[in-house]
Amino acid sequence: EVQLVDSGGGLVQPGGSLRLSCAASGFAFSSYWMTWVRQAPGKGLEWVANIKQDGSEKYYMNSMKGRFTISRDNAKNSLYLQMSSLRAEDTAVYYCASLYCTPGCSKIYFHQWGQGTLVTVSS
Amino acid sequence: DIQMTQSPSSLSASVGDRVTITCRASQGISNYLAWFQQKPGKAPKSLIYAASRLHVGVPSKFRGSGSGTDFTLTITSLQPEDFATYYCQQYESYPLTFGGGTKVEIK
Repeated sequence: EVQLVDSGGGLVQPGGSLRLSCAASGFAFSSYWMTWVRQAPGKGLEWVANIKQDGSEKYYMNSMKGRFTISRDNAKNSLYLQMSSLRAEDTAVYYCASLYCTPGCSKIYFHQWGQGTLVTVSS
Repeated sequence: DIQMTQSPSSLSASVGDRVTITCRASQGISNYLAWFQQKPGKAPKSLIYAASRLHVGVPSKFRGSGSGTDFTLTITSLQPEDFATYYCQQYESYPLTFGGGTKVEIK
């Protein structure tokens, strides 16, 4: 069974840092692009970042570029999101998800989702 | 950035009804359009990709259509478990963007 388990969320002060993790099981993690998406309380979904299978390509939402870093450890079947300089507006549930490729991998689309982990930025 | 606009933002329907949700892209995205279902307090669930293709295990009561800038999600014979919020999302180009969501409520 495909499973993505998000963890690492919690309460952090403005300006602080936090690292989220996503543990994958039940599929060939190293063969898939992966992504982070967030959802502020009562709001819609917002894409955060994507990472290629081998980590050689990364893409970010502009507002998070330079503050957030997506990474992965294929040996540990794990995805990470390092967040720094956190602001109140970063408060959200953060979801990891696996991505499928179209033929030739020119486009990628969402497949399975983790359960999410809540990050609260507040003093 | 490509903006995704969903309408309506909410709707009320009865069990057994058929509902249609519209999603419009600010520029052409071919068929690089996905739909998701989210229930309160739960993670989103992937329903449709490539505008009309169902993910494995998604019932055929969910039907997606459209290409270019205009897309629809139709849900036939609404059941209690279908009452949720639905999001569209484009993956034609970065940044990936979602519609604002459509909440389907019980009348």
